[in-house]
Amino acid sequence: GAGVSQSPSNKVTEKGKDVELRCDPISGHTALYWYRQSLGQGLEFLIYFQGNSAPDKSGLPSDRFSAERTGGSVSTLTIQRTQQEDSAVYLCASSLVIPLQGAYGYTFGSGTRLTVV
Amino acid sequence: SQQGEEDPQALSIQEGENATMNCSYKTSINNLQWYRQNSGRGLVHLILIRSNEREKHSGRLRVTLDTSKKSSSLLITASRAADTASYFCAHTETTGRRALTFGSGTRLQVQP
Repeated sequence: GAGVSQSPSNKVTEKGKDVELRCDPISGHTALYWYRQSLGQGLEFLIYFQGNSAPDKSGLPSDRFSAERTGGSVSTLTIQRTQQEDSAVYLCASSLVIPLQGAYGYTFGSGTRLTVV
Repeated sequence: SQQGEEDPQALSIQEGENATMNCSYKTSINNLQWYRQNSGRGLVHLILIRSNEREKHSGRLRVTLDTSKKSSSLLITASRAADTASYFCAHTETTGRRALTFGSGTRLQVQP
């Protein structure tokens, strides 16, 4: 597609329920990233997928969080047993990665605003 | 966390004035990038400067990088009301995490 697509754009869920957030990256971008942003704050890294390499999960805040990327394209971020502190905007981005030069600029989706009540 | 720091946290200027935002980081970097964010949603990539570059221009944007001081600055010249947004610097490390680490951001308000 022309840009990074995220769905849903808004999600309100009850505490304790599971949620799935979807990201459809730019076709041909080998790298995909998930970040979250609390109100008025910077971006907190969650997870990074690059090609067929093992994902960097070092930013996931707890084992309630998991993500997968199927077929090197679409990614799903799953939060189990949601808590109120999980409320944030979840941002997905994708980029090209050039060997020996690293990643180019990221293209971000519009995010999913998650509210846990 | 190796998150970068930005200052000022907030900046308010008049249209036509220049806006300067500063960013510091703690590690050895591959490159440093600046992003803009409107309305708390998706970020837009503005400019990338590599660790072996010292200055880069793009339109009304000028970015400098001083790797000895581990700092960067973003200058927006002749600001416009439409430049009102949050601006973030982000860097990739030479070792460790490959994904961008973002700074805390500067909220710029340009008064018409």
